[in-house]
Amino acid sequence: AQSVTQLDSQVPVFEEAPVELRCNYSSSVSVYLFWYVQYPNQGLQLLLKYLSGSTLVKGINGFEAEFNKSQTSFHLRKPSVHISDTAEYFCAVSGGRNTGRRALTFGSGTRLQVQP
Amino acid sequence: DAGVIQSPRHEVTEMGQEVTLRCKPISGHDYLFWYRQTMMRGLELLIYFNNNVPIDDSGMPEDRFSAKMPNASFSTLKIQPSEPRDSAVYFCASSLFIRDSLRPVYTFGSGTRLTVV
Repeated sequence: AQSVTQLDSQVPVFEEAPVELRCNYSSSVSVYLFWYVQYPNQGLQLLLKYLSGSTLVKGINGFEAEFNKSQTSFHLRKPSVHISDTAEYFCAVSGGRNTGRRALTFGSGTRLQVQP
Repeated sequence: DAGVIQSPRHEVTEMGQEVTLRCKPISGHDYLFWYRQTMMRGLELLIYFNNNVPIDDSGMPEDRFSAKMPNASFSTLKIQPSEPRDSAVYFCASSLFIRDSLRPVYTFGSGTRLTVV
């Protein structure tokens, strides 16, 4: 079985400050990792994903994440946030290549609240 | 590409009524997933299909829920009879895996907000 833990349910931060949203996963097989963003009353939009290769992954809107296999983490970072980044962020995991585990398992989400 | 299309966007129904949610995946995608989002339980996988065949329905909460995929371009999630605790946002997603592709893509629809009163 796979699981995802997002350690912070809410993260308040001031505009232009850096932010890190934490994500840890558990899996007995290789994994693919994803971060999605959900704005109020909208669907899920892919921010970035780690499939293989470089452990530092760059995504849209200036976000990046680093895959750390030894710590089973995939934390999301942005060096300078904007008011428009206020949203819910979800970390998700699926089985990696040749595992046959296709469905995404989501964390509980982190609410990023950017304050002026 | 129009993306994953779900209908209706909003549905309000009375307890006991049948509800049908619809999803059109991205053309060519071979996997389709149904998720439910609630405040209490977050995003839960209900069921998923591969090439129109149900692969895992262990997340379907009870017999009142059923899902079908009669062809590659259409899927339904039906609740009969509906109950207030079924109120949630239901998302459909589709994905493409080619021979254990290194580049799976999961695309979500905008969701259906269901309210059962």
